[in-house]
Amino acid sequence: SQQGEEDPQALSIQEGENATMNCSYKTSINNLQWYRQNSGRGLVHLILIRSNEREKHSGRLRVTLDTSKKSSSLLITASRAADTASYFCATDASGYSTLTFGKGTMLLVSP
Amino acid sequence: EAQVTQNPRYLITVTGKKLTVTCSQNMNHEYMSWYRQDPGLGLRQIYYSMNVEVTDKGDVPEGYKVSRKEKRNFPLILESPSPNQTSLYFCASSLSLLRSTGELFFGEGSRLTVL
Repeated sequence: SQQGEEDPQALSIQEGENATMNCSYKTSINNLQWYRQNSGRGLVHLILIRSNEREKHSGRLRVTLDTSKKSSSLLITASRAADTASYFCATDASGYSTLTFGKGTMLLVSP
Repeated sequence: EAQVTQNPRYLITVTGKKLTVTCSQNMNHEYMSWYRQDPGLGLRQIYYSMNVEVTDKGDVPEGYKVSRKEKRNFPLILESPSPNQTSLYFCASSLSLLRSTGELFFGEGSRLTVL
């Protein structure tokens, strides 16, 4: 079952702009994670936010979590061409020992 | 270097010819999992393993088998591959999803084509 759904499906911006991606999910979670995938490569973990956290930062990344709305957002500030990739949210639903991924947002950052 | 290694990276095979995709991790992780990635469908979990000799079905287990005889290895077996199993496969491992880290480490993927 697809737990998380990212929005938008695709996003095209210029270098230097901020990129915001959203993730909605359906059931209670232990934590939510964001991953990045360069074309055809393995996914790389970016950041994890626990259900009792509301915001987390890592370098140019800012993640928020609103458990009442069952949603999260990933903000990449001052985007670079090297940020071009697909971004996935993944949820670790409460009571389940598995991580479920959304379909991803494809980000294109043009120089 | 901490890594998850999958082999083969690319494979073209024919319907019905049994194949195994190997996965090995050197991080002493308890949790391992297989995903397939298809255009428009995202990543879907095939099987996962919480520890040695413990495996469970994911969302799309039909046509696949796994085993976990050793902590470091988690092979994916396609007993009789069919064209609908043409996909990009990823193995991933984690210290433990039950702990607060829960970060998954992914292999580089195995692109399988079944003719």
